Amino acid sequence: AQTVTQSQPEMSVQEAETVTLSCTYDTSESDYYLFWYKQPPSRQMILVIRQEAYKQQNATENRFSVNFQKAAKSFSLKISDSQLGDAAMYFCAYRSALGGGAQKLVFGQGTRLTINP
Amino acid sequence: ETGVTQSPTHLIKTRGQQVTLRCSSQSGHNTVSWYQQALGQGPQFIFQYYREEENGRGNFPPRFSGLQFPNYSSELNVNALELDDSALYLCASSLETRTGELFFGEGSRLTVL
Repeated sequence: AQTVTQSQPEMSVQEAETVTLSCTYDTSESDYYLFWYKQPPSRQMILVIRQEAYKQQNATENRFSVNFQKAAKSFSLKISDSQLGDAAMYFCAYRSALGGGAQKLVFGQGTRLTINP
Repeated sequence: ETGVTQSPTHLIKTRGQQVTLRCSSQSGHNTVSWYQQALGQGPQFIFQYYREEENGRGNFPPRFSGLQFPNYSSELNVNALELDDSALYLCASSLETRTGELFFGEGSRLTVL
């Protein structure tokens, strides 16, 4: 079974600074997807960024980028120019790319990110 | 485009009762999945429905059951509620494709007393 581990329960950063959230995962599969989701107090999970395991290039979405190290099974999220609206719980998630069956996401425990003005 | 909506947003039940949670999928989505998120934890996969059939289930007992209707809306039913069932229940819809993105609702927070 796949597992996802986020070792930082809480992180804080000054507004406009850069912060990196860590995530490691365990799988025996070679083809999969990795995600970072943001969950603000409104509770709705919002997709921040997605990485396909077969792609060597790290995904980037505006101020958000990832460092995907497949051999090390590491998938960190870097937030540049942090903004107050970035404050939320961040979850790392894994999904198998095997055909058929459920699109089951396996989530980590989450990291609570605080932005200090 | 209408997003994923869930009802009710909050509810309180007592141990042993039954509860039904509802979800309206995003327009055009034929797949719905349900997750349980205990306080301070990451969501855990309960099950998924594709075209009205369950096509995947997590490690949850049979008293957790579901339905998906022809309009792709969905229900999660939990029988014989236990205190540990207190959690946020999240619904997510998607197109059943290899890279289908999941779109989540805001969840239903269930408290079992």
